[in-house]
Amino acid sequence: QSMLTQPPSASGTPGQRVTISCSGSSSNVGSHSVNWFQQLPGTAPKLLFYGNDKRASGVPDRFSGSKSGTSASLAISGLQSADEADYYCAAWDDSLNGHVFGPGTKVTVL
Amino acid sequence: EVQLLDSGGGLVLPGGSLRLSCAASGFIFNNYDMSWVRQAPGKGLEWVSSITTSGSSTYYAASVKGRFTISRDNSKNALYLQMNSLRAEDTALYYCVKHWASWGQGTLVTVSS
Repeated sequence: QSMLTQPPSASGTPGQRVTISCSGSSSNVGSHSVNWFQQLPGTAPKLLFYGNDKRASGVPDRFSGSKSGTSASLAISGLQSADEADYYCAAWDDSLNGHVFGPGTKVTVL
Repeated sequence: EVQLLDSGGGLVLPGGSLRLSCAASGFIFNNYDMSWVRQAPGKGLEWVSSITTSGSSTYYAASVKGRFTISRDNSKNALYLQMNSLRAEDTALYYCVKHWASWGQGTLVTVSS
C-alpha cells in the first residue's frame, strides 16, 4: 500500500486533455516537492517534472505539473498516441525517512 | 552524455546474496546523490535505497533495511548495492538512478529455488 494515491488508469482521445492526480499527506506531498515520471512500455522511467512544476529537459510543454497542499497533478493536453505509458509521482516522506512512489497511472489513448 | 550501466543481476537461491554495480560516466559523479529503484515484473516502481554525495548518509526502504547495503566509490564513479538474505519478493529489475533525471537500463534479479 503506497503512501501516495493515484488513479490506476486514465484515458482520452487524441487531442483531449488528461489529468492525473497524486494524493499524499503532510509527511510527503504536503512538505516536499513532487517528481513525475513517464515509463513507456519496455523502457526505463523518464523524469518529466521535478520540484512540482519544473519541466525536465526535452519534455514538451503539452505536459504540465502542479501542486496544492497535499495533492499534485500532471496534465497532458493535446493527447497523442505516443503518450500511452505509465505515469508515476514520487516524493520524500518524513515518516518513512525515504522516497515513495505512487502506484502508477496507465494512460490509454482511445 | 550521462551513462549508467547496471550489472550484477542474476538467478539466486532464497537466502543468497548478490552485489549490484552501476558504472557512471558523463557527469561529475561525486556531485550527485544516487539511488536504487526496483520494479517487480508487471508491478510499479519501488524506491530501495539512496546515498548522499560523499556516502556519509544512506537511506533504505523498510522492506530491505538490515539486508541491503548501498555504497559508492567516487574514485571509480561506481555505485553498489550489496543484497543479502534475498527473498522471492526481491525479484525485480533494479535501476541505478542519478537523482532523478537519469536511469540505468536495469539489471534483473531473480530469487528462486
